[in-house]
Parts: sequence; C-alpha cells; structure tokens
Amino acid sequence: QVQLVQSGAEVKRPGASVQVSCKASGYTFIDYDINWVRQVPGRGLEWMGWMNPKSGNTGYAQKFQGRVAMTRYTSISTAYLEFESLRSEDTAVYYCTRRGDYGDFRPWGQGTLVTVSS
Amino acid sequence: EVVLTQSPDFQSVTPKGTVTITCRASQSIGSDLHWYQHKPGQSPRLVIKFAFQSISGVPSRFSGSGSGTVFTLTIKSLEAGDAATYYCHQSRSLPYSFGQGTKLEIK
Repeated sequence: QVQLVQSGAEVKRPGASVQVSCKASGYTFIDYDINWVRQVPGRGLEWMGWMNPKSGNTGYAQKFQGRVAMTRYTSISTAYLEFESLRSEDTAVYYCTRRGDYGDFRPWGQGTLVTVSS
Repeated sequence: EVVLTQSPDFQSVTPKGTVTITCRASQSIGSDLHWYQHKPGQSPRLVIKFAFQSISGVPSRFSGSGSGTVFTLTIKSLEAGDAATYYCHQSRSLPYSFGQGTKLEIK
C-alpha cells in the first residue's frame, strides 16, 4: 500500500538546523508532489511547501522562505525537509504528505516531532 | 492568498446526532476543497476530497458539499470515534492553506 515513513524525533538548540526524511513506498515516487505540513503544539495545521520529485521544483510558504529547503533522492524514493536557523517557536510535529490527483493530501507520514530548546 | 475560515471552532454533540461544519473561502476555489480528520497523536486522515467525493474506507456517514466559496462537511449518526479536530484545505492556488480547525466533542 502507499506509505510514507518519516525519520525519528529530533531535539535541536536554537539556531541549529534539522533534516527530516520521508521515505515513500507503494507507488512511483516521481509521479506525485510531496508537501510538508506542520502543527505547532496547540495550533492548527500549517502548510509549509511542496516539491515535485521528478523535476526537483519547489515552492515555499512565504513565512518559511530563506530558512527551508525541500529536496529528494529519487533512487531511494525519499524526500527531505531541511530547516535552518531554528527557533523555539519552530517546535512542532512535521508531516510529509503526497498530493493526489484532485489536490488532496493522502497519505500522510506518521509525523516527526522537532523540539527546539536551549 | 486564499484564507479559509471554519465555523464553529468547537462543537459538542451527542452520539447518534448530526454535525455540520462550514468552511468559507476568501475567494472562489471551485471544488478544490478537501476535509481531514485529525486525532491527537495520529496523522491527519482524508475524509472527503474535491468538496464532495467520498474516500474508500471512510464511512458513508461523512459527506461534503459546496463549491465556490462555501463548503460543508456533514457527519451523521455520530459515534465516539468521530471525536477529533476537522480541517478544510484548499488546493486551488498556491500557497495552499488550511482552515483553523473545528474541534468536535462527542458527549
């Protein structure tokens, strides 16, 4: 079945960088965009950006521009979220998700908790 | 940028009841509107796509309607397991966006 499996929880100091991976299985990785969504504790879902695995093209929400990069390694069907200059307010669960033919997001990875604390 | 506003923010309903959640878009988005169920400690789950299309494995008690700027998610015959926060999401134009969420309590 179609599945996205993310890397494990991370604890980072303010100012550090983090990389979250998202390994796809059960479908052809390059055929569907990967999007990243986060949820800060106590808040709602927040869209961060998208990546086309075939071309490598990306687009980011304005608030994350300059701090985030979405990349991929097609030979292992894995997408990456790289986030730098982390702040305490970036503490959140980060999800990868596949964009379907109607623009819907399904499935979702299990989520990766990134804690930013000194 | 499309802003999605959900109402209500919170709803408490008894089992076997019906709830309707509304999502209003700041501009027309056609039918490019999807609904998710999100429970604590779990990943969001798609329950309706393209405003009204059902999802395999999701009970038929879940239905969606609307187009343009006003959309609704209706859940009938509510069960304890339906307790969650529900989000709408638009994929019409970048940046994609989510509503603020509606927390559903089954009392």
